[in-house]
Amino acid sequence: GAVVSQHPSRVICKSGTSVKIECRSLDFQATTMFWYRQFPKQSLMLMATSNEGSKATYEQGVEKDKFLINHASLTLSTLTVTSAHPEDSSFYICSARDGAPNEKLFFGSGTQLSVL
Amino acid sequence: GQNIDQPTEMTATEGAIVQINCTYQTSGFNGLFWYQQHAGEAPTFLSYNVLDGLEEKGRFSSFLSRSKGYSYLLLKELQMKDSASYLCAVFNAGNNRKLIWGLGTSLAVNP
Repeated sequence: GAVVSQHPSRVICKSGTSVKIECRSLDFQATTMFWYRQFPKQSLMLMATSNEGSKATYEQGVEKDKFLINHASLTLSTLTVTSAHPEDSSFYICSARDGAPNEKLFFGSGTQLSVL
Repeated sequence: GQNIDQPTEMTATEGAIVQINCTYQTSGFNGLFWYQQHAGEAPTFLSYNVLDGLEEKGRFSSFLSRSKGYSYLLLKELQMKDSASYLCAVFNAGNNRKLIWGLGTSLAVNP
């Protein structure tokens, strides 16, 4: 199946700093990528849909100025958590479709963000 | 509205069979996915159903009834490594092609 690479896998940072997470589709082109956040023992929460060459579409309640998404190429999307605070600590996961008609999502390995 | 229901937790014994149910009420339906997620890891794809009936894939099978808004994931010959969260998700092409996720069922397999 298609491979989605995400890094870093774990980040520990101080409050007020910014953190960038990268998501790459390794063997396919992804015009659309999805960014999820997951708190412990909860399901996936879609944050935004990243569209190559255009602005991301954010879900209701997600601050676009805090969670900056850039999808500059067909294989790379980045999520930057700006001025991170402890409440931003979470598991962030990116995903993409490889264009197959069954709309199956392939997930990156996730990034565990801990803000001190 | 959009709603997906799954049991929160289930417990089963190694070697046994377990069925995890999922019911959904969505404005549209173009397929249902099951994903497995181990703690601290990203979800991995298990199955996809778009037509009614049973899809078998090794020890895992998935069933769909569109008229009842119902699916189940059947795990046979349970192994300890099957202890994980199992997520049901509905794809609605009319919903900006986004998946609607259930809260997941945490399965504990005991020796």
